[in-house]
Amino acid sequence: DTGVSQDPRHKITKRGQNVTFRCDPISEHNRLYWYRQTLGQGPEFLTYFQNEAQLEKSRLLSDRFSAERPKGSFSTLEIQRTEQGDSAMYLCASSLAPGGNSGNTIYFGEGSWLTVV
Amino acid sequence: GQNIDQPTEMTATEGAIVQINCTYQTSGFNGLFWYQQHAGEAPTFLSYNVLDGLEEKGRFSSFLSRSKGYSYLLLKELQMKDSASYLCAVRATSGTYKYIFGTGTRLKVLA
Repeated sequence: DTGVSQDPRHKITKRGQNVTFRCDPISEHNRLYWYRQTLGQGPEFLTYFQNEAQLEKSRLLSDRFSAERPKGSFSTLEIQRTEQGDSAMYLCASSLAPGGNSGNTIYFGEGSWLTVV
Repeated sequence: GQNIDQPTEMTATEGAIVQINCTYQTSGFNGLFWYQQHAGEAPTFLSYNVLDGLEEKGRFSSFLSRSKGYSYLLLKELQMKDSASYLCAVRATSGTYKYIFGTGTRLKVLA
């Protein structure tokens, strides 16, 4: 078990460019989450998937953001026409679907830092 | 609405005990989690409560009172490496299993 892995770990991009982040969850986990975190704040929910189905998307997520999980394994988060306000750490997490106890804990990857200049 | 409140900062001395409180108001409740986050790193899971009472895990314990919408994380025998942010998170139901995080409590452990 290699844990949740994210790529790239750091990305610096110019305003207006598109960026894509990849997340590989823990292999047996069928739920995958994307969060965004800025300095001094807690993680803010963006979206989550159960298998390949995107079950919920935050209202805070503008149309410039899109996430996919085509085969129910890895996921990508794309940000189009980046803005300086998009600068943050993008965290991916995974879990088993609810149905028991601490097995539903979400486990985070190391995050992808985005800086928009 | 969904709201989770934690103190912003706390300071304690190495070897001491510290209690970090968390109050929550969410549309549904299906578990409360505590995470530790060192600066620049991802959150790591510490503890989970879904029933009222105390859960103990080594130097860390977490308490939950669902009727009061209240939890605390207790850290004993503080070490310098415990300096970090501690995040309280609630798994709300309201039709889906979304995890809602507080802003975190930044703990400084002094020698």
